Amino acid sequence: DAMVIQNPRYQVTQFGKPVTLSCSQTLNHNVMYWYQQKSSQAPKLLFHYYDKDFNNEADTPDNFQSRRPNTSFCFLDIRSPGLGDAAMYLCATSRDRGLNTEAFFGQGTRLTVV
Amino acid sequence: AQKITQTQPGMFVQEKEAVTLDCTYDTSDQSYGLFWYKQPSSGEMIFLIYQGSYDEQNATEGRYSLNFQKARKSANLVISASQLGDSAMYFCAMRARRSGGSNYKLTFGKGTLLTVNP
Repeated sequence: DAMVIQNPRYQVTQFGKPVTLSCSQTLNHNVMYWYQQKSSQAPKLLFHYYDKDFNNEADTPDNFQSRRPNTSFCFLDIRSPGLGDAAMYLCATSRDRGLNTEAFFGQGTRLTVV
Repeated sequence: AQKITQTQPGMFVQEKEAVTLDCTYDTSDQSYGLFWYKQPSSGEMIFLIYQGSYDEQNATEGRYSLNFQKARKSANLVISASQLGDSAMYFCAMRARRSGGSNYKLTFGKGTLLTVNP
């Protein structure tokens, strides 16, 4: 059974129209991450939550925001999607942020901007 | 800064043969963890194997083993007896301490696309 679930699997949005991607987990993990993965590139960490504590990466554009209303759910909001934001967005969870802590990933949401 | 380098964009292997996927890393930290993930075309990242920087023995998980050479900063993945279902993207990743931080960021390489031929 899937433990990290991302919805939708595929999302098409218009240029400049706000879009929200969702992620839920059944693992009761403290940490939830959002990664952006463009074609032929390494997944890039956008931000993560440790419990309710939001941790933004220094190079994440302001256009990307996130919400975590409870332990199970985390949302990625793109306020004004541009063509360059088309990518696979991966949600992941981990028990903690320790050295040997494995991250569990969802199947990703592929975002297309038209 | 932490960096993971995977120099093989694509690899081909015959079914039932072994294959090695290369990974080198760079960190100034003494404590770090190395991971390999598999990403099939369906998109989900699947954890394969972990190696800690202080682990003296190479990690093994079924058909997967990690050839860890600390002095060379390499952590190559060896897949034995390749199967058609092994065709996927493979990512090497590292957890190392953030600069000035108290937690460990997971950083990925660009990946290697493995194709297993029948």
